[in-house]
Amino acid sequence: GAVVSQHPSWVICKSGTSVKIECRSLDFQATTMFWYRQFPKQSLMLMATSNEGSKATYEQGVEKDKFLINHASLTLSTLTVTSAHPEDSSFYICSAGEVPYEQYFGPGTRLTVT
Amino acid sequence: QKEVEQNSGPLSVPEGAIASLNCTYSDRGSQSFFWYRQYSGKSPELIMFIYSNGDKEDGRFTAQLNKASQYVSLLIRDSQPSDSATYLCAVSTYNTDKLIFGTGTRLQVFP
Repeated sequence: GAVVSQHPSWVICKSGTSVKIECRSLDFQATTMFWYRQFPKQSLMLMATSNEGSKATYEQGVEKDKFLINHASLTLSTLTVTSAHPEDSSFYICSAGEVPYEQYFGPGTRLTVT
Repeated sequence: QKEVEQNSGPLSVPEGAIASLNCTYSDRGSQSFFWYRQYSGKSPELIMFIYSNGDKEDGRFTAQLNKASQYVSLLIRDSQPSDSATYLCAVSTYNTDKLIFGTGTRLQVFP
């Protein structure tokens, strides 16, 4: 199957700082990538759809200015959490693939904001 | 009504038994159906996908789709303790650009 990587796998940052998470499709090109957030014992929550060469589409309730998404190439999308706060601590997961076909998930990034 | 519904469980089955996981969806236009497995602290991994009515088998896993009744199920034969995880059902249509996930069913396989 297709491989999606994420970096870093975990990060600890101080409140008020920004953190960038990278998502890469290693063996295929992805015009569309998705960013999810998952809190403990809860299901995946789609945050936004990242489209190569255009603006991301954010889900209702997700702050565009706080979660900046850039899909600069067919193999890379980045999520920047700006001015992070403890409530942003979560497991962030990206996926890639063309809907309605299968999505492949990255291994996830665990963010802890202190 | 939620778009994709799953029983949260836990579903407990003994080792060697068949585990049956069910998922219902509300959008009759749904055309692609996926089962993902998620271990605690890990990201989801794709187990199977099914597009047509009927059964699709892959090793110990069988996906069953009934579009008339709007449900999709996953059967795991010869369940193993290593199958203990949360199983996520996901659905998409050709008119949407995203997968809709259920909340997942936690499966526990005990020795």
